[in-house]
Amino acid sequence: AAGVIQSPRHLIKEKRETATLKCYPIPRHDTVYWYQQGPGQDPQFLISFYEKMQSDKGSIPDRFSAQQFSDYHSELNMSSLELGDSALYFCASSVGEGTQYFGPGTRLTVL
Amino acid sequence: EDQVTQSPEALRLQEGESSSLNCSYTVSGLRGLFWYRQDPGKGPEFLFTLYSAGEEKEKERLKATLTKKESFLHITAPKPEDSATYLCAVQGLIQGAQKLVFGQGTRLTINP
Repeated sequence: AAGVIQSPRHLIKEKRETATLKCYPIPRHDTVYWYQQGPGQDPQFLISFYEKMQSDKGSIPDRFSAQQFSDYHSELNMSSLELGDSALYFCASSVGEGTQYFGPGTRLTVL
Repeated sequence: EDQVTQSPEALRLQEGESSSLNCSYTVSGLRGLFWYRQDPGKGPEFLFTLYSAGEEKEKERLKATLTKKESFLHITAPKPEDSATYLCAVQGLIQGAQKLVFGQGTRLTINP
C-alpha cells in the first residue's frame, strides 16, 4: 500500500540558512500534519492542513511556515535556522480527522 | 491541556515473557487514543485506535485496551523483533484540533 513520502530524507544546513521539507500524503488523504521530534523526545505537533486550509497550529516558531497545495502535498519552510532546529521532522496524513499515518521523516542537521 | 504519561520509560524482557505497557491520559473529551510503534530513526508505525472505554483490539502478539483514564498495551510471548519504542497518543474532541498529543514512549527490549 502507498505510504506518506517525505523528501529529502536527510538535510544538512548551516545556521541562518533556510530549508524546505516536502510531504506527499497517501492518495485520497486530505489532511496533512507536521511534527518535530528531538533526540529522545516524543513528536511535537507543529501545524496541520485540511483541504489546503490551515486547520490547527501548535508550537511552530514564527520562522517556520507551511502550506498545502492543490495536489494535497505540503511543504514546511524553515528560515534563519538555529542549532536547536536539528531534529526529525515527520509528516502524517489522514482522511479528515481519522487515523494519522506517518512518513519516514526528514532528519535535519543544523551546523 | 491534554496530557499523556507512559510507564515504564524502559522495559527489558526475555523472549516469551509477557508484560503490559501503561498509558495514562487526561483529555477534554476523547476523540481517539492511538498506539504507534517506532523504530530508531523511523516514523511512527500505526498499531491501534481505541475510541471508547471498554474497547479492545488485537494484532498478533499485541492487545490494546482502554478505560476512561488509561490504556494498556499487552504483549504476549514477545519476540526480539518486537523491540521498539511504543508511543501512546490522544486526539481531543475540540473542533478543529486534530493534533496528536504523545506520551514520552516506552522503550521495549526483548532479549533472545
